[in-house]
Amino acid sequence: AQKVTQAQTEISVVEKEDVTLDCVYETRDTTYYLFWYKQPPSGELVFLIRRNSFDEQNEISGRYSWNFQKSTSSFNFTITASQVVDSAVYFCALSEATGRRALTFGSGTRLQVQP
Amino acid sequence: EAGVTQFPSHSVIEKGQTVTLRCDPISGHDNLYWYRRVMGKEIKFLLHFVKESKQDESGMPNNRFLAERTGGTYSTLKVQPAELEDSGVYFCASSPVRGTWGTEAFFGQGTRLTVV
Repeated sequence: AQKVTQAQTEISVVEKEDVTLDCVYETRDTTYYLFWYKQPPSGELVFLIRRNSFDEQNEISGRYSWNFQKSTSSFNFTITASQVVDSAVYFCALSEATGRRALTFGSGTRLQVQP
Repeated sequence: EAGVTQFPSHSVIEKGQTVTLRCDPISGHDNLYWYRRVMGKEIKFLLHFVKESKQDESGMPNNRFLAERTGGTYSTLKVQPAELEDSGVYFCASSPVRGTWGTEAFFGQGTRLTVV
């Protein structure tokens, strides 16, 4: 069965520090998608990135970068030069091609960026 | 364009009462999902509609939960009778393309349900 683990429950950093949020997944499917969502204090889940299982290229978007490694079943998310506005709960999620297509989420990592 | 809208944003009810949550997806989105986050744990899938049909309801916890999507537009999730363990945040999400997998889902702000 599919599973997503976010071992870091809460992380606190000082503004301008870099921070990496870990995500480890389990799936029997060879075809799947991985996602990151951000939940700011307002409550809605905001889509950040989607990566399919055949594309292991790392991605950078501004201060955000993602490192996908199939060998370790990890899809880690790094925020460079963190800002107070980055404070939120971040969720990693998995969607399988032949298994459950709806999202399987991790338990989330709460990031607090202190000024 | 309006996003996914959920009503109410908060609901506090007594054990044994009935509550109905509503979700208005983005217009034109065939796929509609319900998820739930209980007590800071992971967000768990409840069910998936494609238009008005239930595609996957394997995540529904028990028969006290009833979801409908009449006409393939908005959806309701009724809990009857509510129990203490039903407390949590209920999220609705929609995505645009019928039969296509892997597109990102757009989420609402959630309904925080507290059963006392």
